[in-house]
Amino acid sequence: GESVGLHLPTLSVQEGDNSIINCAYSNSASDYFIWYKQESGKGPQFIIDIRSNMDKRQGQRVTVLLNKTVKHLSLQIAATQPGDSAVYFCAENNSGNTGKLIFGQGTTLQVKP
Amino acid sequence: DAGITQSPRHKVTETGTPVTLRCHQTENHRYMYWYRQDPGHGLRLIHYSYGVKDTDKGEVSDGYSVSRSKTEDFLLTLESATSSQTSVYFCAISARTPNTEAFFGQGTRLTVV
Repeated sequence: GESVGLHLPTLSVQEGDNSIINCAYSNSASDYFIWYKQESGKGPQFIIDIRSNMDKRQGQRVTVLLNKTVKHLSLQIAATQPGDSAVYFCAENNSGNTGKLIFGQGTTLQVKP
Repeated sequence: DAGITQSPRHKVTETGTPVTLRCHQTENHRYMYWYRQDPGHGLRLIHYSYGVKDTDKGEVSDGYSVSRSKTEDFLLTLESATSSQTSVYFCAISARTPNTEAFFGQGTRLTVV
């Protein structure tokens, strides 16, 4: 079946270290992926996206890697800061033109000072 | 929040009563979505709209209906609220598809007692 899941529910890192959040997806037809950040009491906030014809994309302090062979997605955050503490969701689009997204369960990132 | 306003932000209602949640956007985006977020389930799509008067079901549409009479407003109605519909509801908008990020509102916390 179709599913998007995260390997770890909670990730704890030291401030200044790099963070890696992983995501597995099962539908090889998925062609677009997004990472969202959600802070407590707020809606998900777009971080970065990647299309299936790419294997890496970089933003400001964030990098998304896509490995289609093993259907794996990761979000790397460089020099993690306390403000990065949040729940991170990966989402996939495998429904063509509807724009419907399937979300994973989420990983909580805790940054220790 | 990309010009998205959800109302109300919080609501407590009784079982069996109808409830309508409103999503209003000022971005003139074509696509609008209603998601619910529950612990352990991430975000799940309830209904979406791909234009005025054009709507379709998502993965958890039972007990919900939607209407979109103009571009800027997308209404979600719980026809007869049940305790299982206690959740946080998020509206999202997207300018175009495929492969475009969706922007989320702040959410509506609904409690059915």
